Amino acid sequence: GDSVTQMEGPVTLSEEAFLTINCTYTATGYPSLFWYVQYPGEGLQLLLKATKADDKGSNKGFEATYRKETTSFHLEKGSVQVSDSAVYFCALTPSGGYNKLIFGAGTRLAVHP
Amino acid sequence: KAGVTQTPRYLIKTRGQQVTLSCSPISGHRSVSWYQQTPGQGLQFLFEYFSETQRNKGNFPGRFSGRQFSNSRSEMNVSTLELGDSALYLCASSLAVGGKSEKLFFGSGTQLSVL
Repeated sequence: GDSVTQMEGPVTLSEEAFLTINCTYTATGYPSLFWYVQYPGEGLQLLLKATKADDKGSNKGFEATYRKETTSFHLEKGSVQVSDSAVYFCALTPSGGYNKLIFGAGTRLAVHP
Repeated sequence: KAGVTQTPRYLIKTRGQQVTLSCSPISGHRSVSWYQQTPGQGLQFLFEYFSETQRNKGNFPGRFSGRQFSNSRSEMNVSTLELGDSALYLCASSLAVGGKSEKLFFGSGTQLSVL
């Protein structure tokens, strides 16, 4: 069945460091891909999304490109801040899956001053 | 605009009991989805309702059920509770125009503990 695999955490970085969180997926057809973020004490929020191959989603300095050839959707940010500390979830919606999200396990990011 | 509201925030039950969780979506949103979050299994899709009809279902036993009312509010019911049902239950709503994958807005969840 459809699945999402993302790198295990925690990821610990210093402020202004470059961030990459790897995400790969297994799915038939053309899924939509998402990154959601869960800040401490808050609910899940959509960070960015891409709905077709080669699309780049971006928001708040974060970017991810839908790579169908490598079935990947890696999250990147050029310069992280302490406020980016959170748990990041990669997810997909299968073709025709309406609003059914299949999530990866989540990656905890801790950014230190 | 009010966000997705889930009640109650915390719940403690014993094995064998049943429980009902409530979710009020953002005004105008017609789709409501439910997810279970546990440390071991992560986030797992339970079901989605759109216009009072279940249009998608995850791989959970029949003890887990839900419904949606005409005002889009949704309830989730778990019967014959088991220890493994202890989890954070999240509700998410979306406009669901055209049935396409859209931005989901999540509530803060109901933390269920089964003793």
